[in-house]
Amino acid sequence: GAVVSQHPSWVICKSGTSVKIECRSLDFQATTMFWYRQFPKQSLMLMATSNEGSKATYEQGVEKDKFLINHASLTLSTLTVTSAHPEDSSFYICSAPGTGLNQPQHFGDGTRLSIL
Amino acid sequence: TQLLEQSPQFLSIQEGENLTVYCNSSSVFSSLQWYRQEPGEGPVLLVTVVTGGEVKKLKRLTFQFGDARKDSSLHITAAQPGDTGLYLCAGDPTTQGNTGNQFYFGTGTSLTVIP
Repeated sequence: GAVVSQHPSWVICKSGTSVKIECRSLDFQATTMFWYRQFPKQSLMLMATSNEGSKATYEQGVEKDKFLINHASLTLSTLTVTSAHPEDSSFYICSAPGTGLNQPQHFGDGTRLSIL
Repeated sequence: TQLLEQSPQFLSIQEGENLTVYCNSSSVFSSLQWYRQEPGEGPVLLVTVVTGGEVKKLKRLTFQFGDARKDSSLHITAAQPGDTGLYLCAGDPTTQGNTGNQFYFGTGTSLTVIP
C-alpha cells in the first residue's frame, strides 16, 4: 500500500534553531500534502496544505513566516520551523490524500519536536 | 474549524467493559473514517464508511454511519488494554467523494483500558 515517510522522528534543539521536517511519498505521487500539529491526547490541527509547484495554503492563525512549507517535487514536502522557541514544541504529522473515491489519507509517523 | 464533535473526550474503563464513542456533526459527509493513534505515532486507519446506515465490524469493533451521513459511532465490545489509544473520526465533506481535499478531523477520544 501507499507509504508516507516522515523524518526525523524526533528532534531536540536549542531555542532559535530552525528545524526542517521532510515528508515523502514512497511509492506514489502526491500533488497535495497536509501538515498537522498535535498536542498530547488531542486531535490533529491542520496547519497548512502543501501544493506541488505553488504556494502552500495556510489555515487561519498559522504564521506563514514561522512555518515555511516547500513542495519541491511530487514526492517531497518539507516543513521548516524557523527560529523555533519552546512554544513550538509539539508533534507534527504530515499526510497525503489517497487516490480514488473515498480513499483514506496516508499518514507519516510524525515528528516529535522539543525546543529547549 | 472543528466540524466533528466526538464524545466522550476522555474515557477510562476496566478491561472487559463495553464502550461507545460518538462522532457528531451538522454537516453531511460523503465518507467518514475512524483512526486509532498511539503516542508518538501517526494515525492508523480502522475503517471507512460510505453509505448512510452502513454498519461495519472489525473483530470487537463495530462502526456505524448515520442514515443522514452526519454522524457515526464506534462500539468496542469487551475492551482490552491493547485498545488503549486516541480514536479519531474524520469526514470528507466533498459531495463527490475524495478528490484529494482535506478531511475534517473530530475532536478525538482518548481511551484508557485498565487491566
